[in-house]
Amino acid sequence: DGGITQSPKYLFRKEGQNVTLSCEQNLNHDAMYWYRQDPGQGLRLIYYSQIVNDFQKGDIAEGYSVSREKKESFPLTVTSAQKNPTAFYLCASSTTTGQANTFGSGTRLTVV
Amino acid sequence: QKEVEQDPGPLSVPEGAIVSLNCTYSNSAFQYFMWYRQYSRKGPELLMYTYSSGNKEDGRFTAQVDKSSKYISLFIRDSQPSDSATYLCAMSVLAGGTSYGKLTFGQGTILTVHP
Repeated sequence: DGGITQSPKYLFRKEGQNVTLSCEQNLNHDAMYWYRQDPGQGLRLIYYSQIVNDFQKGDIAEGYSVSREKKESFPLTVTSAQKNPTAFYLCASSTTTGQANTFGSGTRLTVV
Repeated sequence: QKEVEQDPGPLSVPEGAIVSLNCTYSNSAFQYFMWYRQYSRKGPELLMYTYSSGNKEDGRFTAQVDKSSKYISLFIRDSQPSDSATYLCAMSVLAGGTSYGKLTFGQGTILTVHP
């Protein structure tokens, strides 16, 4: 079945550590996205990528980094510069001409 | 002011009721409108996707878009306990004639349908 796989489902980070969230899709979509979801705030766009080796900042990119070396993969690194990283992170993809995003099941990151 | 406003609720209705969920927006460039359903601790799933003003129906769900008022709605008929979830509206603009799929979301409305 085609879809988006996010791993791990739960992740714990110590203060000052960088962590990387994985996102893989087999939908043959060109565009991929990372969103952050906090209670009562909907989804906010962190980074997005239209094609391999290209990506743009979203609305809340500070403290995050991404790479897009393969069409299928769009990992997100939460760096120690992100002061409030505890949140639910969602990866999504879409065709370049489509509008609707298809979402993964999410990674819940907690700082301990 | 947020570009997309959505009443977070929570909204509680009895089984069988008609549910009305709404979003308003300020950016007149929004061209595509979506409704997503999100169960607890899961990723959102697409329910409805519309482009033009008017109504679009899919089973028990009807999406309504009024671009002149910058207002969209989702109606759920014969609501079921399994409809209990958070409902998110989302919108996007055309960019250079090619859609980039960059979405702007409302806060989400928490809906509970009780038996």
